[in-house]
Amino acid sequence: SYELTQPPSVSVSPGQTARITCSGDALPKQYAYWYQQKPGQAPVLVIYKDSERPSGIPERFSGSSSGTTVTLTISGVQAEDEADYYCQSADSSDVVFGGGTKLTVL
Amino acid sequence: QITLKESGPTLVKPTQTLTLTCTFSGFSLSTSGVGVGWIRQPPGKALEWLALIYWNDDKRYSPSLKSRLTITKDTSKNQVVLTMTNMDPVDTATYYCALPLGSGYPPAFDYWGQGTLVTVSS
Repeated sequence: SYELTQPPSVSVSPGQTARITCSGDALPKQYAYWYQQKPGQAPVLVIYKDSERPSGIPERFSGSSSGTTVTLTISGVQAEDEADYYCQSADSSDVVFGGGTKLTVL
Repeated sequence: QITLKESGPTLVKPTQTLTLTCTFSGFSLSTSGVGVGWIRQPPGKALEWLALIYWNDDKRYSPSLKSRLTITKDTSKNQVVLTMTNMDPVDTATYYCALPLGSGYPPAFDYWGQGTLVTVSS
């Protein structure tokens, strides 16, 4: 079955830039999406179609794609950005989420 | 305003069948391109996609769970129902229903319900 691979954790100091990667063989052919999830809450879509930002999502969130890897970048990280982040995509028949990355703001 | 809300049992016994209902407002499942999906999350673990149903009754299932899942819609009641057979303790999770953004594939889940925790235990 198709898999998306994320690092389990990323740590960054406030004001710095956090980069979270997601790798998958089908990513060159399919869009990727990113979700932010805080404890006890439902996920929130922060990036769609690799790099588009839904309305209401701060500009410090951005996405990019290169080959089999997509990257979520959070510029000028704030304490409120501490959360779990999940990438999501699909192959021809299976919608898949990555294993999630815990972002810690030091 | 778009809202979704999951309902169903909080506790099921092993081997039983789980039936969850997603009741939504602010959109119609009879509108071209619209779909509703189900996603679950075991405690402390990652999200897992389960199923999708579209306005035209097209249905998609997670390949690993396809034999156990059935998704249906009742457009008149604004509801989507997910059934999962042969429940096991490993199926203990928070179950979410969600509305994809637009009609593209893969779906991007833009609106989510609050989720409902289902525990499987004897």
